[in-house]
Amino acid sequence: QQQVKQSPQSLIVQKGGISIINCAYENTAFDYFPWYQQFPGKGPALLIAIRPDVSEKKEGRFTISFNKSAKQFSLHIMDSQPGDSATYFCAASRGNTPLVFGKGTRLSVIA
Amino acid sequence: DAGITQSPRHKVTETGTPVTLRCHQTENHRYMYWYRQDPGHGLRLIHYSYGVKDTDKGEVSDGYSVSRSKTEDFLLTLESATSSQTSVYFCAIRGQGPYGYTFGSGTRLTVV
Repeated sequence: QQQVKQSPQSLIVQKGGISIINCAYENTAFDYFPWYQQFPGKGPALLIAIRPDVSEKKEGRFTISFNKSAKQFSLHIMDSQPGDSATYFCAASRGNTPLVFGKGTRLSVIA
Repeated sequence: DAGITQSPRHKVTETGTPVTLRCHQTENHRYMYWYRQDPGHGLRLIHYSYGVKDTDKGEVSDGYSVSRSKTEDFLLTLESATSSQTSVYFCAIRGQGPYGYTFGSGTRLTVV
């Protein structure tokens, strides 16, 4: 059973547009929800993270929206740039248990 | 990546041979993890460690073993490599508290 479901698998966005990636989870005990960004040939890097006691967190052009009742969270990239083209992973964990990752979304931002 | 290195970066091995991948950290972090990344599957946990000599299995542990005899090193061994273990392997570390993981640059393993 997949604990974190991520969609879409791939996404093409025009430069300057908004990229939206969604994740849904099953385990209501999860208490930490990070997003990772991965460029080809590199390891994933932490982009932004949220805890379930807040509904939104913003860092620059990146925003996480969190809906506890729906068990969903999403990443919004405002004013998307070609340099944002990468694979994005959502993840979740509870306490000190290991992160469980979604399957990833390949984002391409075209000029 | 700062504080964590994986070796080798690339390896080609034959089916049936044992293979050991190494993860080395200089951060003195307690937690270390091995994930594999495959197209369509994302990152899946193989094994993890929460201290020296303290390890536990992850989602896809069959065919793999680990050892951690020092805080800084976490070894992943494929006991008898199979083609299904062709993958990119990532090590990650985490300190105490609600901090994200820091990943290494990965090892691309091909089993022929």
